[in-house]
Amino acid sequence: DIQMTQSPSSLSASVGDRVTITCQASQDISNYLNWYRQKPGKAPQLLIYAATDFEGGVPSRFSGSGSGTEFTFAISSLQPEDIATYFCQQYETRPYSFGQGTKLEI
Amino acid sequence: QLVESGGGLVKPGGSLRLSCAASGFSFDSYTMHWVRQAPGKGLEWVSSISGGNTYVHYADSLNGRFTISRDNAKSSLYLQMNSLRAEDTAVYYCVREKTTVFEGWFDPWGQGTLVTVSS
Repeated sequence: DIQMTQSPSSLSASVGDRVTITCQASQDISNYLNWYRQKPGKAPQLLIYAATDFEGGVPSRFSGSGSGTEFTFAISSLQPEDIATYFCQQYETRPYSFGQGTKLEI
Repeated sequence: QLVESGGGLVKPGGSLRLSCAASGFSFDSYTMHWVRQAPGKGLEWVSSISGGNTYVHYADSLNGRFTISRDNAKSSLYLQMNSLRAEDTAVYYCVREKTTVFEGWFDPWGQGTLVTVSS
């Protein structure tokens, strides 16, 4: 099975800061990597698919990069509404697996 | 829209059947999934079933205790859970594939239904 290691597990930043989250796969997954946002008490929401492509309506301050085993999710200018937990997920091979999540606080 | 039901409190060793009512899209065209989240924990993919009922897949950790099924005529997805254990306690989400082409893009998600396994 492919293990996804996400860091940091929590992150505190200020409005306007640039924040980055990294996700490492235990083997090469090409660009088969998605990012989700889960706001408190809500279901997760797909933000970025195929490592770099935006879901419709996702603000341009969000971005994804990487391929192979190393991936990065970034928010260029943190906003109060970005408070959430963010997860990466690989879909190169079943069982699909998620990172443990990054809880973002302001 | 995806609306789960059937969660609740069950004793260890018991059974529960979750349902997911889908609307607003051509249900039989999409692979569907169950994904769970233990309280305060991360996400775990549980099972998937293809649109035509042709393929089903399960997480190895389930050890054959769960069965996924669907009724395309009723636009409904199900998860039969047997021999439940405390570690199965979680919110269970019904999730659709984003597209009919690629698999592994989870979108949208239902609101989830809580399963609690406790004596």
